[in-house]
Amino acid sequence: AQSVTQPDIHITVSEGASLELRCNYSYGATPYLFWYVQSPGQGLQLLLKYFSGDTLVQGIKGFEAEFKRSQSSFNLRKPSVHWSDAAEYFCAVGAGNQGGKLIFGQGTELSVKP
Amino acid sequence: NAGVMQNPRHLVRRRGQEARLRCSPMKGHSHVYWYRQLPEEGLKFMVYLQKENIIDESGMPKERFSAEFPKEGPSILRIQQVVRGDSAAYFCASSPGGGMNTEAFFGQGTRLTVV
Repeated sequence: AQSVTQPDIHITVSEGASLELRCNYSYGATPYLFWYVQSPGQGLQLLLKYFSGDTLVQGIKGFEAEFKRSQSSFNLRKPSVHWSDAAEYFCAVGAGNQGGKLIFGQGTELSVKP
Repeated sequence: NAGVMQNPRHLVRRRGQEARLRCSPMKGHSHVYWYRQLPEEGLKFMVYLQKENIIDESGMPKERFSAEFPKEGPSILRIQQVVRGDSAAYFCASSPGGGMNTEAFFGQGTRLTVV
C-alpha cells in the first residue's frame, strides 16, 4: 500500500541555520511527490513537486528537495531558515492515477528560534 | 484569478445537526477533491468529483457523509447527524484536469466544531 512517513513530528532550528525535513514514501511505480506548507489556520501552499527528470527540485521561498529512489526519500532542504518559515510541512505522494488524490504524511511542525 | 474558495471558514454545529460545507473551485477547474484533517494528523483523502459525477469516494465514511458537484454552483460536502468525532478541518482542492501531473490547489479550509 502507498504511504508517506515523516519521521520528525517537531523540529526546532535557529534562524539562519540550515534545515532538512525528512520524507520517506512507499509506492510501487515512479512516484509523484510534493511538499506543502501550512501556516496556522490556513490552507496548504505547494512548495515544490517532483514528477520526473532532474532529481533535485527547486521550489518557492528558497526550498529545494532531492528525490532519491534508492532510499525512497524526498527530503526538503533550505540553506538558511527565516523566522517566517515556522509552519507545518507536509510531504505527499500522488495516489493512483488522479492528479489531486494525494497521500499525506503526518506533517512536521517547524519552530524557528531567534 | 481567485483561488479555491471555501465557506464558511468556521462552522459550529450541535450533535445531531447537519453540516454543509461549500467549495468553489478555481476558474476553469472542473475537478474537485475533499480532504479531512483531524487534530494532530495529516490530510486524508475523502472524495474526488468532476461536474455531476463522483469519480472516487474511497475515503468517504460509509454513513452520514455525502458529496456533490452540480453542473452549476459549488461543490458541497454534507455531513448529516454530526458527532463530536466529525470535528476537523475540511479542505477542498481543485485542478484543471485529472492526470497525475496535474497540480491541485487547496482552499483555506472549513473548520468544523461539533459541540
